[in-house]
Amino acid sequence: EVQLVESGGGLVQPGRSLKLSCAASGFTFSNYYMAWVRQAPKKGLEWVATISTSGSRTYYPDSVKGRFTISRDNAKSSLYLQMNSLKSEDTATYYCARTTEGIVDFDYWGQGVMVTVSS
Amino acid sequence: EIVLTQSPTTMAASPGEKVTLTCRASSSVSYMHWYQQRSGTSPKLWIYETSKLASGVPNRFSGSGSGTSYSLTINSMETEDAATYYCQQGSSYPFTFGSGTKLEIK
Repeated sequence: EVQLVESGGGLVQPGRSLKLSCAASGFTFSNYYMAWVRQAPKKGLEWVATISTSGSRTYYPDSVKGRFTISRDNAKSSLYLQMNSLKSEDTATYYCARTTEGIVDFDYWGQGVMVTVSS
Repeated sequence: EIVLTQSPTTMAASPGEKVTLTCRASSSVSYMHWYQQRSGTSPKLWIYETSKLASGVPNRFSGSGSGTSYSLTINSMETEDAATYYCQQGSSYPFTFGSGTKLEIK
């Protein structure tokens, strides 16, 4: 059974940093692209970052480019999201998701972790 | 950026009623994916590559479309289908989602 378990969320002040983690199990982690998707309170879904199987390629939307960094440790079956220079508009539930290369969808999602950016 | 516009924003359907949700893309995409999100839970991939049902999805659901116009249809609404449905394109970066259709049971 595929499981994705996020951790590391919490309350952080604007301008500060936070690092999220996602522990994966139930599949061969190193064979899959991985991603982060977020959802602001009572809002829709927003793709945040994608990383290739080896970690050599990463992709971001303009809204987080230069502030967020996605990374992975295949030996630990773990995915990470380093978030710097946080803004109030980054407040959201962050989901770790397994994804694909090519026709990109997000086929498994974690339970999500809440990040609140507020002074 | 490809903008996805879903309609309606909200709707209510009676048990047994046929339901159609639509998603329009600002530019042509190769495929559309759909997610179901029940209240307080994570999204689930529901329909992928326009018309393929994800594992465990009842066959009363179907998907269709091409180019800039896609739809999700429920043949016969059931109470468990009440949820928000999002469309998503993975054809080009940045990947984008529609704003969702909230489907309620009447």
